[in-house]
Amino acid sequence: QKEVEQDPGPLSVPEGAIVSLNCTYSNSAFQYFMWYRQYSRKGPELLMYTYSSGNKEDGRFTAQVDKSSKYISLFIRDSQPSDSATYLCAFKAAGNKLTFGGGTRVLVKP
Amino acid sequence: DTAVSQTPKYLVTQMGNDKSIKCEQNLGHDTMYWYKQDSKKFLKIMFSYNNKELIINETVPNRFSPKSPDKAHLNLHINSLELGDSAVYFCASSLGLAGVDTQYFGPGTRLTVL
Repeated sequence: QKEVEQDPGPLSVPEGAIVSLNCTYSNSAFQYFMWYRQYSRKGPELLMYTYSSGNKEDGRFTAQVDKSSKYISLFIRDSQPSDSATYLCAFKAAGNKLTFGGGTRVLVKP
Repeated sequence: DTAVSQTPKYLVTQMGNDKSIKCEQNLGHDTMYWYKQDSKKFLKIMFSYNNKELIINETVPNRFSPKSPDKAHLNLHINSLELGDSAVYFCASSLGLAGVDTQYFGPGTRLTVL
């Protein structure tokens, strides 16, 4: 079993729709849960992070963590064409090593 | 005023050659990283330095050698390049080691080995 599983997509949605992304993980030592956004031919940038089970909201973005199921989600409300990118989940245990999912490519069509 | 910069942006070279990629950060961070992103978009850490000391050294062929002349720079030298080394290499930096410790990524160096 891979340490992190993430559907590669692509996920195509019309503008204004809700985008739902998720990752599963197997490492119980993961303490921090992050989502990075990567535009084509650019480096990843941190979008959101959390360290506890539950929901965290930031504008149109909601990150959700369920530690008991080892499952994290990212929701994007009122999606815009500028949200078209690859979204990578990332996890951190103690220390500073990040473990990334393979990314889900999202395409928001106008 | 780029936070994390890498040179070159593109690198095309023949198998067997030796090449270097340079990285610089102007964020005043103590920790720097090298990641490799393959064609399937998997981003895997290779090395991490904290205050010029190597702290993460993943299972990477010893043809890859990082060098940190100072806290603001982390270079990656690759000997005897192989076809499988073709990938995008990202440099990143972060403030330290604790907590979430946001990592800031450079724009990447796209290496193609022919």
